[in-house]
Amino acid sequence: GQQVMQIPQYQHVQEGEDFTTYCNSSTTLSNIQWYKQRPGGHPVFLIQLVKSGEVKKQKRLTFQFGEAKKNSSLHITATQTTDVGTYFCAAARGAQKLVFGQGTRLTINP
Amino acid sequence: NAGVTQTPKFRVLKTGQSMTLLCAQDMNHEYMYWYRQDPGMGLRLIHYSVGEGTTAKGEVPDGYNVSRLKKQNFLLGLESAAPSQTSVYFCASTGRWGVWPQHFGDGTRLSIL
Repeated sequence: GQQVMQIPQYQHVQEGEDFTTYCNSSTTLSNIQWYKQRPGGHPVFLIQLVKSGEVKKQKRLTFQFGEAKKNSSLHITATQTTDVGTYFCAAARGAQKLVFGQGTRLTINP
Repeated sequence: NAGVTQTPKFRVLKTGQSMTLLCAQDMNHEYMYWYRQDPGMGLRLIHYSVGEGTTAKGEVPDGYNVSRLKKQNFLLGLESAAPSQTSVYFCASTGRWGVWPQHFGDGTRLSIL
């Protein structure tokens, strides 16, 4: 079935450094969603991308959807300790289901 | 404004015991999902429902059963628990497929000895 590969699995940065996680698929995606899960918490929706080449920003977070709609990225500028957590991408799988990437766990050294 | 509520939050079972996890949502959502989360494996779909009285298998359905007798509730059952089912279980719901996000409950941490 459709797989969504997410890299890296782990990322440790110094506070203030940038962070990027990538999501890749071998098939064209209709849309992609991004979620954040704080340690011990549950996934929380961040954003959905639908259009080819789409770029959306939320304060220090920038989300991109590739031109071919097969990849996506989340970039955080100047990380803060509040950014700690695991970031997941999720793509529609057939009708009515999402398939999640493995997640990128971000830890930050203050 | 409760959203998605899961009960219980924690449970320890012995191998072979059975139990039911309850998910309740108060947002009048049609679609409901059960996922399990294991370290390094992200979220994997167990079963899902697209409306009251309907259920369907997800990616890892073996050893689990579900029921959606009422629109607001989605039950996940383990008939004979196995240590491989030790995991964190999340329920999620969404009101409109492909447009709206999934709303997750706080999770149930299940350990099977």
